[in-house]
Amino acid sequence: EVQLVESGGGLVQPGGSLRLSCAASGLTFSNYAMSWVRQAPGKGLEWVSDIRSNGGTTNYANSVKGRFTISRDNSKNTLYLQMNSLRAEDTAVYYCAKDRGGGSGWGFDYWGQGTLVTVSS
Amino acid sequence: EIVLTQSPGTLSLSPGERATLSCRASQSVSSSYLAWYQQRPGQAPRLLIYSGSSRATGIPDRFSGSGSGTDFTLTISRLEPEDFAVYYCQQYGSSPPEFTFGGGTKVEIK
Repeated sequence: EVQLVESGGGLVQPGGSLRLSCAASGLTFSNYAMSWVRQAPGKGLEWVSDIRSNGGTTNYANSVKGRFTISRDNSKNTLYLQMNSLRAEDTAVYYCAKDRGGGSGWGFDYWGQGTLVTVSS
Repeated sequence: EIVLTQSPGTLSLSPGERATLSCRASQSVSSSYLAWYQQRPGQAPRLLIYSGSSRATGIPDRFSGSGSGTDFTLTISRLEPEDFAVYYCQQYGSSPPEFTFGGGTKVEIK
């Protein structure tokens, strides 16, 4: 059974940093592209970033470009999101999501349970 | 940037009725990269449809997707109690490479 488990969320002050992790199991992690998707309280879904299966290509939403960095460690079956210069508008539940393919865009067939990031003083 | 507009915002229907949800793109989208998700309160989204019309694993056949170009539709043929939820369409564009979600349609019990 495929499982994605996020961790690392919490309360952080504006301008601060946080690193999220997503531990994957039940799949050959290195075969699949992965993404981070967030959802602000009471709002819709917003894609944040994706990384190809081999980690060679990464992409970011304009809203986080230059502040967030996605990475993966295929030997540890783990996806990461380093978030710097956090703003109040980054407050959201952050989900990691697995793409159906090694490249991106084929649909997110597995999602984690989400981890809440709150940016507030 | 491609914008996806979902309509209606809220759909009030009774169990057993047919639901038709619309997703309109600001420019042409490849149906290969068009997906639909269901999100129940307090849960992560669940993939229903990928490549515009293919049902994901374990999705009942009362869910179907159709469309091309800028207009896509998710149809639920007969609503079951567990189908009352929020539905999102999503597309992937390669130039620039990015994903976009629609604003969602809430299907509520009438």
